[in-house]
Amino acid sequence: SQKIEQNSEALNIQEGKTATLTCNYTNYSPAYLQWYRQDPGRGPVFLLLIRENEKEKRKERLKVTFDTTLKQSLFHITASQPADSATYLCALAAWGTYKYIFGTGTRLKVLA
Amino acid sequence: DGGITQSPKYLFRKEGQNVTLSCEQNLNHDAMYWYRQDPGQGLRLIYYSQIVNDFQKGDIAEGYSVSREKKESFPLTVTSAQKNPTAFYLCASSSDLARTDTQYFGPGTRLTVL
Repeated sequence: SQKIEQNSEALNIQEGKTATLTCNYTNYSPAYLQWYRQDPGRGPVFLLLIRENEKEKRKERLKVTFDTTLKQSLFHITASQPADSATYLCALAAWGTYKYIFGTGTRLKVLA
Repeated sequence: DGGITQSPKYLFRKEGQNVTLSCEQNLNHDAMYWYRQDPGQGLRLIYYSQIVNDFQKGDIAEGYSVSREKKESFPLTVTSAQKNPTAFYLCASSSDLARTDTQYFGPGTRLTVL
């Protein structure tokens, strides 16, 4: 069955460092991949979309990579700040469907 | 302010009762969605609607019902047939059902069955 894996353990990093979060998938061929940020008790907020034919996408301090051979996406936050502390979700959609499948999310904590 | 609103923020239900969660958007979006979020699980799609008076079942539609009588509104009813309704419910909208479209989420409703 389709499976999306994000590290369930929280990631703690020091302020100013680069945070790297992973999203691995199996039994799935996504055409599109999105990353969202979710704060406790609130709805997710869209961050970035990357297509299967794009290797990398950037937006300000954020960078996403998409490796269909490794079946993996990496999400980077450079020069991290305590305000970046949140849970980050990846979501995938395949060709021929309008539905996104979401991962469980990884909680990031940036320490001052 | 453009956005998507959900009410109530917290909802308590006795077993055997139906409850309706409200979702309203003023973004002029055609597509709307309902998701359920449980601890340790990703968001799961309950229902989605591409246009008024049309909606489709998602992955976990059993025990839920929706209506889409107005473009702005997509209420979700959690019926007594839903065996484990305690969860965080999220409504979202996008300009259409295209896979490249951003989904805008509401603040969520936390439903607890007593």
